[in-house]
Amino acid sequence: DIVMTQSPLSLSVTPGQPASISCKSSESLLHSDGRTYLYWYLQKPGQSPQLLIYEVSSRFSGVPDRFSGSGSGTDFTLKISRVEAEDVGVYYCMQGINLLRTFGQGTKVEIK
Amino acid sequence: EVQLVESGGGLVHPGGSLRLSCAASGFTFSTYWMTWVRQAPGKGLEWVANIKEDGSEKYYVDSVKGRFTISRDNAKNSLSLQMNSLRVEDTAVYYCARDMGGFDIWGQGTMVTVSS
Repeated sequence: DIVMTQSPLSLSVTPGQPASISCKSSESLLHSDGRTYLYWYLQKPGQSPQLLIYEVSSRFSGVPDRFSGSGSGTDFTLKISRVEAEDVGVYYCMQGINLLRTFGQGTKVEIK
Repeated sequence: EVQLVESGGGLVHPGGSLRLSCAASGFTFSTYWMTWVRQAPGKGLEWVANIKEDGSEKYYVDSVKGRFTISRDNAKNSLSLQMNSLRVEDTAVYYCARDMGGFDIWGQGTMVTVSS
């Protein structure tokens, strides 16, 4: 199985400041079809997870442009350009190249 | 409105069984893979199982193989998870989700508690 490793596991950010989360996979997520199957989710307190970013860098419908994803192969990053209070929660990366999907451990983001 | 609604959770003794259901609406259910994801109390997300559009392929996380069975009824727009030989460590909120490689639609979850 593909192992997904996130860092840091927790983050305390001042509103308006940037934040960055790293995600590394144990195998390349680049498929032979040319697409890279890395996804980012946010689970706000008391809610179901929601898709933020698909295929490394594409924002899902309704996701603010302060969220961006980047990376390739096995190293990926989620960036929030200016953190807002509504961004608190746990962020997860996930690989979708293998039908046995796997998530990272999660990164808890809180506001200072 | 695109929606997934889970049901069937509850309290069960170790070794018992439970069947979860997920009702889909607002999209063509039969054209999508579907997935179950669970989250133990205070823990992260764990993918559990998924099933191909026509039900011909099914995959499971190792910890549930041989105990859980995923199935679907495309005529009823319904996804199921039959859980047998339940263990205390299966206690979690179980979510169904539409599986497009990533999971773009999630249900609200249903709680399963395995306890004596």
